[in-house]
Amino acid sequence: QKEVEQNSGPLSVPEGAIASLNCTYSDRGSQSFFWYRQYSGKSPELIMFIYSNGDKEDGRFTAQLNKASQYVSLLIRDSQPSDSATYLCAVKMSGGATNKLIFGTGTLLAVQP
Amino acid sequence: NAGVTQTPKFQVLKTGQSMTLQCAQDMNHNSMYWYRQDPGMGLRLIYYSASEGTTDKGEVPNGYNVSRLNKREFSLRLESAAPSQTSVYFCASSEWDRGLYGYTFGSGTRLTVV
Repeated sequence: QKEVEQNSGPLSVPEGAIASLNCTYSDRGSQSFFWYRQYSGKSPELIMFIYSNGDKEDGRFTAQLNKASQYVSLLIRDSQPSDSATYLCAVKMSGGATNKLIFGTGTLLAVQP
Repeated sequence: NAGVTQTPKFQVLKTGQSMTLQCAQDMNHNSMYWYRQDPGMGLRLIYYSASEGTTDKGEVPNGYNVSRLNKREFSLRLESAAPSQTSVYFCASSEWDRGLYGYTFGSGTRLTVV
C-alpha cells in the first residue's frame, strides 16, 4: 500500500462548479497535511495546509481532514479554467524530528470553460 | 527575495557522465531536500538535510550523493549517470514555524540521460 494515495484523474469539472480532490494516507500518527498545486512544467506551490480535524477555508479553497478515516480532501469552489493543474497531497509522517513530506502522485484537474 | 534557486534548468548527459545539480536558498531555512519527479510516480525523496552538517537518505538514494555546503546550499551529484536517472529534479527548503510549515520549491532541473 502506498503511503499517500490519490486518484490520478483527470477530474473534469465545468467552470463554476465545485471540484473535490481526495487523498488517503497510511500512517495513523501523521500530524500535518498539505495541498500543493503544480501547473504543467512548473514547480509545486503550497496552497493549503491543515493539521486539525475538520475544515479549513481560504478563499475558494477548503481543506478537510478526518484523521479517524485517514483522509484529507480539497474543495475548490467556483472552479476557474486557471485552476486546471495537478494537485499534490503531502503528509508529514509521524516519528522523527525532520520535516520531510511524503507526496501522493497527484490528481489532474481540468476545468472546462 | 529569490527563494530557492536551482541550476542548471536543463541538462543532457551521456550515460556514465557525472554532474552536480546546485541549489541555494535565501530564506534562512534549516532543512533542505532533493526530490525527483517522474510520470506516474509523483515526487520521491532522494536525500534531505535536516540542518547544516547533516544529510540523510530518502526513498531513492541509489546513484546519488549530496553535500550540504553551508546553511544556504545543498548540492546533488550524479557520479555516473544512467538513463533511469532521466527525470525532473526539485530542490526544496523548509523551516519549522509554530508547528506548521511548508516547502518552498525551486524551479526544477530537467535532466535527460542518453
